[in-house]
Amino acid sequence: GQNIDQPTEMTATEGAIVQINCTYQTSGFNGLFWYQQHAGEAPTFLSYNVLDGLEEKGRFSSFLSRSKGYSYLLLKELQMKDSASYLCAVRILTGGGNKLTFGTGTQLKVEL
Amino acid sequence: DAGVIQSPRHEVTEMGQEVTLRCKPISGHDYLFWYRQTMMRGLELLIYFNNNVPIDDSGMPEDRFSAKMPNASFSTLKIQPSEPRDSAVYFCASGHGGYNSPLHFGNGTRLTVT
Repeated sequence: GQNIDQPTEMTATEGAIVQINCTYQTSGFNGLFWYQQHAGEAPTFLSYNVLDGLEEKGRFSSFLSRSKGYSYLLLKELQMKDSASYLCAVRILTGGGNKLTFGTGTQLKVEL
Repeated sequence: DAGVIQSPRHEVTEMGQEVTLRCKPISGHDYLFWYRQTMMRGLELLIYFNNNVPIDDSGMPEDRFSAKMPNASFSTLKIQPSEPRDSAVYFCASGHGGYNSPLHFGNGTRLTVT
């Protein structure tokens, strides 16, 4: 089976940097995604890693270590609108295709 | 592109009734997923299709749940009979099979079973 762990909640200050960690244990690993979900809305895609290292997209960066089963999402220059749930998702290669399994999400609250 | 379209947005029904949720994926996408989201359990994968064929339905809670994809542009998730514990937001998502292709989610159907 799969096991994906994230902290339940985090609080940070506007303008600061926050790092949201995700650890996973799975077989058939085929990539890791981060999604953002605002309350009452659908998840939206933020980033993707399949190789070890850092991927940077503007204020958001994501890191992956396959050997450690570890990823983090780094948010810089935090804004109030970044208050949302951040979901780590692992893609697993199965006999019939790829399936995407989500962690339970980290609720980030950005304060003044 | 209109994105993934789900209907209805909200559904309130009584215990024991049949519920049908509908999804139109993004044109050209060959994967379609059904997820259920609750506060307690987060986003749970129920079933996914590749080229209209069900690949993995191990997440379907029990025989009361069934899903079909009769063609590339339409899928349904049916609950019969519905129970209060089925109350959740149900998301449909579609994507390509490419290695770095993300899933695109619909706006979800909020189901309340009383």
